[in-house]
Amino acid sequence: DAGVIQSPRHEVTEMGQEVTLRCKPISGHNSLFWYRQTMMRGLELLIYFNNNVPIDDSGMPEDRFSAKMPNASFSTLKIQPSEPRDSAVYFCASTPPGGSYSNQPQHFGDGTRLSIL
Amino acid sequence: GQNIDQPTEMTATEGAIVQINCTYQTSGFNGLFWYQQHAGEAPTFLSYNVLDGLEEKGRFSSFLSRSKGYSYLLLKELQMKDSASYLCAVRSAYGGATNKLIFGTGTLLAVQP
Repeated sequence: DAGVIQSPRHEVTEMGQEVTLRCKPISGHNSLFWYRQTMMRGLELLIYFNNNVPIDDSGMPEDRFSAKMPNASFSTLKIQPSEPRDSAVYFCASTPPGGSYSNQPQHFGDGTRLSIL
Repeated sequence: GQNIDQPTEMTATEGAIVQINCTYQTSGFNGLFWYQQHAGEAPTFLSYNVLDGLEEKGRFSSFLSRSKGYSYLLLKELQMKDSASYLCAVRSAYGGATNKLIFGTGTLLAVQP
């Protein structure tokens, strides 16, 4: 079975540009998570969706960040305008139904390594 | 508040045993996960504890004490490939059932020959 698929794997762009990160969760999974990982702050949850609905976006750093999940098989994380401090690795993860009370772990994609110059 | 503490770095010798500790203070508790992350790669699931006690899975074991807010990951018969970062994550129950994980900053383990 295919795992969580993220694209692009690497993105280098200049500050001020719009950046769009994409994620395809594992088929049948109904919860999707966006994380950001840096050396200083570790792995931070930005937002998570359950059945395509945003449940908790308290980790989204500011209005420049937005996330959507138009259907069960696709989500985007957008940064507009981008800034150098947004440079990080962005991970997407998913879990199957019943995750809140089960031992089902979150399955992570390979991440997008984002560099804003 | 939400706080998870792990040592930043540890070093151990090939073939030895190492214990990585994790203490947590979270608003509610609904399970604790350990993940392994090699440099430049995604975190991968190692173990899960929700009740007190020890869970064993091959060379890896994980222990939980909910009353103490404490867990450890035990790695036996260390191999060079075990050199990685180990992340402790707590699933919060604040505000009701949730799938949300709070991660520690990870412990970077270096296994030496």
